[in-house]
Amino acid sequence: EAAVTQSPRNKVAVTGGKVTLSCNQTNNHNNMYWYRQDTGHGLRLIHYSYGAGSTEKGDIPDGYKASRPSQENFSLILELATPSQTSVYFCASGDALGGRETLYFGSGTRLTVL
Amino acid sequence: GDQVEQSPSALSLHEGTDSALRCNFTTTMRSVQWFRQNSRGSLISLFYLASGTKENGRLKSAFDSKERRYSTLHIRDAQLEDSGTYFCAAEANAGAKLTFGGGTRLTVRP
Repeated sequence: EAAVTQSPRNKVAVTGGKVTLSCNQTNNHNNMYWYRQDTGHGLRLIHYSYGAGSTEKGDIPDGYKASRPSQENFSLILELATPSQTSVYFCASGDALGGRETLYFGSGTRLTVL
Repeated sequence: GDQVEQSPSALSLHEGTDSALRCNFTTTMRSVQWFRQNSRGSLISLFYLASGTKENGRLKSAFDSKERRYSTLHIRDAQLEDSGTYFCAAEANAGAKLTFGGGTRLTVRP
């Protein structure tokens, strides 16, 4: 069964602190994504990756870094967290087969920056 | 600007009724996907369409094959477990990443 696991489920950070959100997938998918969800905006793409060692900027990458050390793991890093980064973050994996990609999402990480 | 606009933003239905959600695109899209997010926050893929219609149980989705500027999700005989937030997401061209709409929060009441 497809599985995308995010950790932590909840995180409270202070302004200026470093935050790392982790994502692990057992789907053996090449593509992984980080989104944030805010009321009225749906999901917005922050960073994504095509495979181990690859990171690409999404639509709203400012203030975030990403790391893909292996096929299974994709991290989102906030070097200097700000209150505007308070949000719910979702990781997803996908494998485009025949030009079609179905995304499998993790359960989300709720981040509060004080 | 936003390329994917969903309507309505919120909807309340009585059990057993039918309704439709809509997703409009400001530009021609290659494909569309529909997701449901439950109360725990989990997002589940419902449909992927590059054209035409697809049906799964009480859910049916259509993608305007001619202009490729809108998609609909029809819910027939709504049940309490259909409650949640429904998102559409569209791909502008091959290799482009999905752009999500703002979602429709659906509440089904007894």
